[in-house]
Amino acid sequence: QVQLQESGPGLVKPSQTLSLTCSVSGGSISSGSYYWNWIRQPAGKGLEWIGRIYTSGSTNYNPSLKSRVTISLDASKNQFSLRLNSVTAADTAVYYCASNRPGVNFDYWGQGTLVTVSS
Amino acid sequence: SYELTQPLSVSVDLGQTARIACGGNSIGSKNVHWYQQRPGQAPVVVIYRDNNRPSGIPERFSGSNSGNTAALTIIGAQAGDEADYYCQVWDSSTAVFGGGTKLTVL
Repeated sequence: QVQLQESGPGLVKPSQTLSLTCSVSGGSISSGSYYWNWIRQPAGKGLEWIGRIYTSGSTNYNPSLKSRVTISLDASKNQFSLRLNSVTAADTAVYYCASNRPGVNFDYWGQGTLVTVSS
Repeated sequence: SYELTQPLSVSVDLGQTARIACGGNSIGSKNVHWYQQRPGQAPVVVIYRDNNRPSGIPERFSGSNSGNTAALTIIGAQAGDEADYYCQVWDSSTAVFGGGTKLTVL
């Protein structure tokens, strides 16, 4: 059973960079055909897909966030990461990491981590 | 960019049938996945690829998809089904979520 766990600062100042890591256990991040995703949800609002990275290292991003987002993968640590730069209060949300096989639903999710952007 | 439209809320009497629609241009040509999200929890898939139930999801959950509308149907809604529901598709290597529907079981 694959498990995902987000970690990172819960508070980020405006204009700075939000950095989160998702640790994967119960399976290798670099084996099999899997995408590793970041999804966020502002309080009381819906889900927004941020982007994903494939086991090969190729990435896809939400066009609305593409200019500010970088997703990377560290196979040696069995982790993948999110960097979102130039954050504003609008980036305050619960951030989830999740996995999916190509073209299919998100199957494994982390519990989510709240990131607040505030000075 | 591709958009999915869901009603903000749907109400259903206990034991009755609830239907949550998800509209999108030619959505019938895409695979639709449905997620249930309870307060404070991560989403859980209840239907994948239009009409498939993962193991552990009750048979009362079903899905359909044709034309410009997909739908999640819950036959015999229970109090525990009260939650937010999201439809989701893949469009040009991008995941798209509907805005979510709050299901209230009366």
